[in-house]
Amino acid sequence: DGGITQSPKYLFRKEGQNVTLSCEQNLNHDAMYWYRQDPGQGLRLIYYSQIVNDFQKGDIAEGYSVSREKKESFPLTVTSAQKNPTAFYLCASSRGTGGKYNEQFFGPGTRLTVL
Amino acid sequence: KNQVEQSPQSLIILEGKNCTLQCNYTVSPFSNLRWYKQDTGRGPVSLTIMTFSENTKSNGRYTATLDADTKQSSLHITASQLSDSASYICVVSANYGGSQGNLIFGKGTKLSVKP
Repeated sequence: DGGITQSPKYLFRKEGQNVTLSCEQNLNHDAMYWYRQDPGQGLRLIYYSQIVNDFQKGDIAEGYSVSREKKESFPLTVTSAQKNPTAFYLCASSRGTGGKYNEQFFGPGTRLTVL
Repeated sequence: KNQVEQSPQSLIILEGKNCTLQCNYTVSPFSNLRWYKQDTGRGPVSLTIMTFSENTKSNGRYTATLDADTKQSSLHITASQLSDSASYICVVSANYGGSQGNLIFGKGTKLSVKP
């Protein structure tokens, strides 16, 4: 069953703690992305990776870090430096990044709440 | 500045009625336009994708139109069902060739279908 998975679905964190969100895909896609979604706002790009061992900052990368050691996996760490981390986080993947190959498939999301 | 504006922000209709959602964009150079459906607490799912040369595309009860001259798109939902209640997101891709971070997301229209 192909697709993109995220875990956990809900995550609670105390202030000052780092937390890592998991994202795995078995679609054999080269590109992967992390977005943040807040109420009443469009999706905002945090980080993206076009290929293994390479990633680029998006529009709101401050306070976040990523790694891309495997094609299938693109974990996101929300650090204590992120001032307002409570949000809905979406991971996506695409076959490529140009033209029709940049259609993104989204995971089910992780809702992070900082207590 | 590349922007995607959607209207209305929210919409309530009765089951069985039709509705039309609007998307205006100022993205250049234009590559393609997608409509996504996002159920509450879930990841977005692609409904349609249109390139510059396509002016209409259907997916069941969903019909998207594109006017590349006026930079407007619409999503028409026919014979609405309760399961159509969701946010509908318009996403425009700019054609920068290979660079990701070229997807511009609208804030979405929240549709509620009432019995």
